[in-house]
Amino acid sequence: GESVGLHLPTLSVQEGDNSIINCAYSNSASDYFIWYKQESGKGPQFIIDIRSNMDKRQGQRVTVLLNKTVKHLSLQIAATQPGDSAVYFCAESIHNQGGKLIFGQGTELSVKP
Amino acid sequence: EPEVTQTPSHQVTQMGQEVILRCVPISNHLYFYWYRQILGQKVEFLVSFYNNEISEKSEIFDDQFSVERPDGSNFTLKIRSTKLEDSAMYFCASSAQGIGNTIYFGEGSWLTVV
Repeated sequence: GESVGLHLPTLSVQEGDNSIINCAYSNSASDYFIWYKQESGKGPQFIIDIRSNMDKRQGQRVTVLLNKTVKHLSLQIAATQPGDSAVYFCAESIHNQGGKLIFGQGTELSVKP
Repeated sequence: EPEVTQTPSHQVTQMGQEVILRCVPISNHLYFYWYRQILGQKVEFLVSFYNNEISEKSEIFDDQFSVERPDGSNFTLKIRSTKLEDSAMYFCASSAQGIGNTIYFGEGSWLTVV
């Protein structure tokens, strides 16, 4: 069964460096993936999404890579800033499952000035 | 930027009491959701709602839970008889269309059952 309370993986980077956050998803039938940022005491904030017919998508300072062969998703943040410090969650879904997102465990990103 | 708003931000309730959490989704959105996050754990799906009916629900969403869209703007989650393990942050979310469209989350309602 699940453990009570997660010990989140932590990534600590220097301001200005690039960050790479990884996620392994669980269901090979998933066809839509999203990265969310969650600051303490706040709701998940949408960052970027990607559909399964793509392997890369770029946004402003962020890039998502999807490797369906190994069920792996990554989020790259360029020139990381202190304001990027938060917990980052990947989420997966299947298009015919009524909007049900399955969230990963999260990675805590800490940016040192 | 349009946002999902939730009330209350924090509620403390006695075990066994009924609780209603309220949400105002983004105005032109058609799909509505409730998720919850127990302290220190992952965000978990509870239920999705479209066209005045539940589209999908998780095993967490048992008979103690219900959702309603009482008017054109509000979307509520009711817990009939709260248990200690219902203590969590409850997030409302909405999207313009179904999956494949961005799901926007509210700031959450923190429920503490004592």
